[in-house]
This record gives sequence, C-alpha cells and structure tokens, in this order.
Amino acid sequence: QLVLTQSPSASASLGASVKLTCTLSSGHSSYTIAWHQQQPDKGPRSLMNLNSDGSHSKGDGIPDRFSGSSSGAERYLTISSLQSEDEADYYCQTWDTGKWVFGGGTKLTVL
Amino acid sequence: EVQLVQSGAEVKKPGESLKISCKGSGYSFTSYWIGWVRQMPGKGLEWMGIIYPGDSDTRYSPSFQGQVTISADKSISTAYLQWSSLKASDTAMYYCANTVLGYWGQGTLVTVSS
Repeated sequence: QLVLTQSPSASASLGASVKLTCTLSSGHSSYTIAWHQQQPDKGPRSLMNLNSDGSHSKGDGIPDRFSGSSSGAERYLTISSLQSEDEADYYCQTWDTGKWVFGGGTKLTVL
Repeated sequence: EVQLVQSGAEVKKPGESLKISCKGSGYSFTSYWIGWVRQMPGKGLEWMGIIYPGDSDTRYSPSFQGQVTISADKSISTAYLQWSSLKASDTAMYYCANTVLGYWGQGTLVTVSS
C-alpha cells in the first residue's frame, strides 16, 4: 500500500536551514513526489516535483532557498535562510495508477 | 499563464445539492489529470478523486466513492465536483489541482448549515 509519512512538526530559527522528510512506503522508493506549501489561511502552493535520483523541477517563482534531494525511499525538502513567511504546513504528495496520496503534513515553526 | 479558477463560496442547507467548478487555462486541459482535494477546518489535505478531461476517466478515493460525483466538460476546460444531498460534515474548503504541472485553484469554501 502506497503511504507517505511525514513528521507532524519541525522548528528552526530565523536565518537557519531546515530539512523536512517524506518517506515512501516499502516497495515505492522509485516514486516521484511533489512538495506543497500551505501558509496560514492560504491555499496550497506547489513547490517542486522531486524524482528518486534527486533531480527536481521547481514551480514558477519558487525561491532558490527551496531545494529537494532524495535517498532511497526518503524525499527531502531543504529550506535555507529561513524567513518568517516560511512558517507553514508542508505536504508531500505522489501519484499512483488511478489515485493520489498525500502525506499528513509537517507544521514548520520559525523561531 | 497556467490558471485554475474555482467558483465562489457557497452556503447551503443539509439535503441540498451543489455543483462547484474549476476552469483551467494556459495549458492543454485535456492532457492532465485534475484532482479534487478536501480540507476540513484545521486538518490536512485529503484526496477525493481525479478526472482525465480528455476522456472523462474518473477515479475516486474509497473515502469519497458514492458521496460525490466528479465530471468535466472539455469543451470549456472545466472540471466539476457535485453533491446530490449535502451534509453538515461536508463543510470544508475544496481545491482543484493539477499537481503534475504544479498548479492549484484558489479554493471554494462550502458551508452546510441549517
């Protein structure tokens, strides 16, 4: 069964870096995922699509501070030089035949 | 410019029907799956179903199968989400999205209250 697992929360200081993790379930380590950001009281925004080899394609207007990487079944979103507006919920999402799957989301707090 | 533009907020009574829309532009609407996503207050994103506008192939999440109907009119590049009999528990924000290309609609707030 295709499942995406995320930690419920993360925190980091203003100006620092943070690495969020999304883990694909066993047998699905080759899957491409998408990272989405949802700031408070706003709709989701797509950040990037991230492949199993770590290559990624970012959405229009997404700052260079956002990057992605992969290792096995893990997919990472790294945000550098954290800014206050990066405080948001971050969701990973993937596609399978006839369905989408979302992770539970990680709430990022910028200290 | 790629855009997904959703219809406006709705306030309905339990038992009423509703159809909300999502109009795509700036890309080949018939070539990509469009999904509908529910977000209840204070909760995460839930996938409801997807439709391929090219041939109207539709798939539903087991959680929403039989509860909603997803359709599309490719002649006007619009996807739809409809309910035949709303419940109070359908109160939520609903988003359409093309997550392969990385675009979301702005959301439609549906409030069901007597």
